Amino acid sequence: AQSVTQLGSHVSVSEGALVLLRCNYSSSVPPYLFWYVQYPNQGLQLLLKYTTGATLVKGINGFEAEFKKSETSFHLTKPSAHMSDAAEYFCAVSLTGGFKTIFGAGTRLFVKA
Amino acid sequence: DTEVTQTPKHLVMGMTNKKSLKCEQHMGHRAMYWYKQKAKKPPELMFVYSYEKLSINESVPSRFSPECPNSSLLNLHLHALQPEDSALYLCASSQKGWEGRESSYNEQFFGPGTRLTVL
Repeated sequence: AQSVTQLGSHVSVSEGALVLLRCNYSSSVPPYLFWYVQYPNQGLQLLLKYTTGATLVKGINGFEAEFKKSETSFHLTKPSAHMSDAAEYFCAVSLTGGFKTIFGAGTRLFVKA
Repeated sequence: DTEVTQTPKHLVMGMTNKKSLKCEQHMGHRAMYWYKQKAKKPPELMFVYSYEKLSINESVPSRFSPECPNSSLLNLHLHALQPEDSALYLCASSQKGWEGRESSYNEQFFGPGTRLTVL
């Protein structure tokens, strides 16, 4: 069975600092992997996705993630945090091309001025 | 039009009421989804419609009844709900329909959600 584990329910960084949100997955076959962002009282927005090909994936708003099969990880990074990055971030996995997507528990990112 | 819309934005209902949530997209997508999201939790898949037919039902109680009248519209009919059903209900759509097998990636576009409170 596939699953997703996000390490840290809360992460706090200073504005301008590196953002690192951790995600590990469990899957018997190569999965599709995603990061979504959710702002308060809003739906989910896709930040980036890994399907096949290049393992370093660039997304919107300056975020990127690297698929590491040997570590079963898909960590999300951003070189310099902005106040507007404060939100809930979900890592997700799917084996069915995105029809049945399993979400991690989420990580709340706080950005301090 | 590149968005998924949901109405109403907020809904308060009693346990004996019947209400409906509505979701609409005009992107020509052939798959539509309902998710339930409790506070501080990730979304949980409830239903998937593909080519206007129910393809996935994640063992959702019968007090939730989905309906897909056409390829642009998805409803969720609510009846005899419990207070624990209070949550954010998210709709999503994706371009391709489910063809019963793994397929190439199919990005989901989410609506803003309906905040449901059951008294």
